[in-house]
Amino acid sequence: QVRLVESGGGVVQPGGSLRLSCAASGFSLNDYGMYWVRQAAGTGLEWVTVTSYDGSTSHYADSVKGRFAISRDKARNTLYLQMSGLRTEDAAVYYCARVQTYSTEGGDFYYMDVWGIGTTVAVSS
Amino acid sequence: DIQMTQSPSSLSASVGDRVTITCRASQDIGNYLNWYQQKPGKAPKLLIYAASRLQSGVPSRFSGIGSGTDFTLSISSLQPEDLAVYFCQQSYSTFSFGQGTRLEIK
Repeated sequence: QVRLVESGGGVVQPGGSLRLSCAASGFSLNDYGMYWVRQAAGTGLEWVTVTSYDGSTSHYADSVKGRFAISRDKARNTLYLQMSGLRTEDAAVYYCARVQTYSTEGGDFYYMDVWGIGTTVAVSS
Repeated sequence: DIQMTQSPSSLSASVGDRVTITCRASQDIGNYLNWYQQKPGKAPKLLIYAASRLQSGVPSRFSGIGSGTDFTLSISSLQPEDLAVYFCQQSYSTFSFGQGTRLEIK
């Protein structure tokens, strides 16, 4: 069964650090690009960071650039999000999501076909 | 950055109604448009990818159409379990989302 399970959320003070984990089962992270997406309470979805299937390329939203880092442990089949310099506006539910590819002659289409259950980050003094 | 704008922000409809949600991109994104459904307290779920392709397991009452900058998600006959927030997302350049459309059942 294909599944993603996030963990590591909690309450942290402004300026603090936290590492989120996303454990994959039923497939290999090595074969897929992966996203972290967050959702503040009562608001919409914001992409945070994305990494290519082999980890060679990563992109970050301007709001987290220089503070967050995405990585993966192949042996553990787990994706991570290292967050530092946390701000109150980083408080959200954080989801990891798998990127699936639909290939056609006209190009490759990407979409998030598997999502985790989410883990909640609260930033408060 | 590509901005995605959905309309309406919320709507209320009755069971059996046809419902339409619109998504507009700030630039031409071809068919690089996906739709997600998020039920209360749950993670988003993929409904439509590449503007019009129905994800496996999604009921056929859901459909998508559009290209370029204007896209539409339709529900042909609204069901009680369709209560959710619906998001569009462009995949032309990283993945930015629309602000969401909250669908309520009358």
